[in-house]
Amino acid sequence: AQSVTQLGSHVSVSEGALVLLRCNYSSSVPPYLFWYVQYPNQGLQLLLKYTSAATLVKGINGFEAEFKKSETSFHLTKPSAHMSDAAEYFCAVTNFGNEKLTFGTGTRLTIIP
Amino acid sequence: DTEVTQTPKHLVMGMTNKKSLKCEQHMGHRAMYWYKQKAKKPPELMFVYSYEKLSINESVPSRFSPECPNSSLLNLHLHALQPEDSALYLCASSRGLRETQYFGPGTRLLVL
Repeated sequence: AQSVTQLGSHVSVSEGALVLLRCNYSSSVPPYLFWYVQYPNQGLQLLLKYTSAATLVKGINGFEAEFKKSETSFHLTKPSAHMSDAAEYFCAVTNFGNEKLTFGTGTRLTIIP
Repeated sequence: DTEVTQTPKHLVMGMTNKKSLKCEQHMGHRAMYWYKQKAKKPPELMFVYSYEKLSINESVPSRFSPECPNSSLLNLHLHALQPEDSALYLCASSRGLRETQYFGPGTRLLVL
């Protein structure tokens, strides 16, 4: 069984401030973890993925995430928020023995000018 | 190139209509997916095709009928839909099952 919990359905940060979006996972076997971003009225775009290589993963648009097995976490960060980062962010998990991608409930990121 | 295309972008249909959604990828991916996404919710898996064979059907009502005519193309045939079927329908593809999924822009469907 696998699941993802995203703490905070809404997060607001000021432009230029640190972005931190939280994701905790549950998986009975080593997970593959993903962050996707969805801009209004668009599909999902892959930001970054963890597939058991380096624990610190760098993605597009200045985002990165760190896989912490001891905390079962895969939080998404960006040092300095930009207005264009306003979107819905989904964390997702799968594993080698599972054909399905399980999504978290999403976090809406708002950037305050 | 990680592009998945979907047509149409928007679709309005009555409950007695028959319509089809189309999804295409030219990345050589062998797995393709249909998801349904309601507003402010994550995508929900509907169907998975692997090597043009239906691999997963998430107990979707028979008014939704998927078809995979070849490795690049995935269709979703719609018939006698209900207003609650109104949603964003997303297609995705991956190199194989359990690989990274790449999503299309979606078709926004309104059933009247």
